[in-house]
Amino acid sequence: KAGVTQTPRYLIKTRGQQVTLSCSPISGHRSVSWYQQTPGQGLQFLFEYFSETQRNKGNFPGRFSGRQFSNSRSEMNVSTLELGDSALYLCASSLLPGQGTGGDAFFGQGTRLTVV
Amino acid sequence: SQKIEQNSEALNIQEGKTATLTCNYTNYSPAYLQWYRQDPGRGPVFLLLIRENEKEKRKERLKVTFDTTLKQSLFHITASQPADSATYLCALDETGGGADGLTFGKGTHLIIQP
Repeated sequence: KAGVTQTPRYLIKTRGQQVTLSCSPISGHRSVSWYQQTPGQGLQFLFEYFSETQRNKGNFPGRFSGRQFSNSRSEMNVSTLELGDSALYLCASSLLPGQGTGGDAFFGQGTRLTVV
Repeated sequence: SQKIEQNSEALNIQEGKTATLTCNYTNYSPAYLQWYRQDPGRGPVFLLLIRENEKEKRKERLKVTFDTTLKQSLFHITASQPADSATYLCALDETGGGADGLTFGKGTHLIIQP
């Protein structure tokens, strides 16, 4: 079956703009989590969605937001982009909320966002 | 403060030898510890999970140990191959339900020399 699909793969934006990233989970998976990966901070949890509801959010400013649709597809939005938002944004899908059981979470290839 | 530490420098190992990667953590009480592999430009791929009450877990050429007293996990790749070259990430889940998401280390870049 198809894996997690993230679009676009690469994106260049100007400081101050906003951006929307998309994640289509594996068919049947209802939970989507988003992570930001930078060389300095590594992988950091942004938020998790299940059944169109945000279950939890990491320590990021309100400029970072997301949503999930009834078909489990998810989008994340970053407003008023800053240079420091340049990163690889990854989403992971799983059948159920949480990834503690391991092996249930499958990551997409990510969207590489560059803010100039 | 909470911290997860992995070897920050690249680890160079000769093909055929055993590669051992370290993950140390402070101020966490993880219910699970997981190891992932990440190749350049790709998302992480799950490898192994070990629970707090388990000492060791194996999968083919991979072995993970978990010492909650030392607050350390070791990840071993035996009979290493150049194809094993990648960045390896450890991740902690404190709640067992992952409601707060996984907390990742910054990863160790492993290079297997032919």
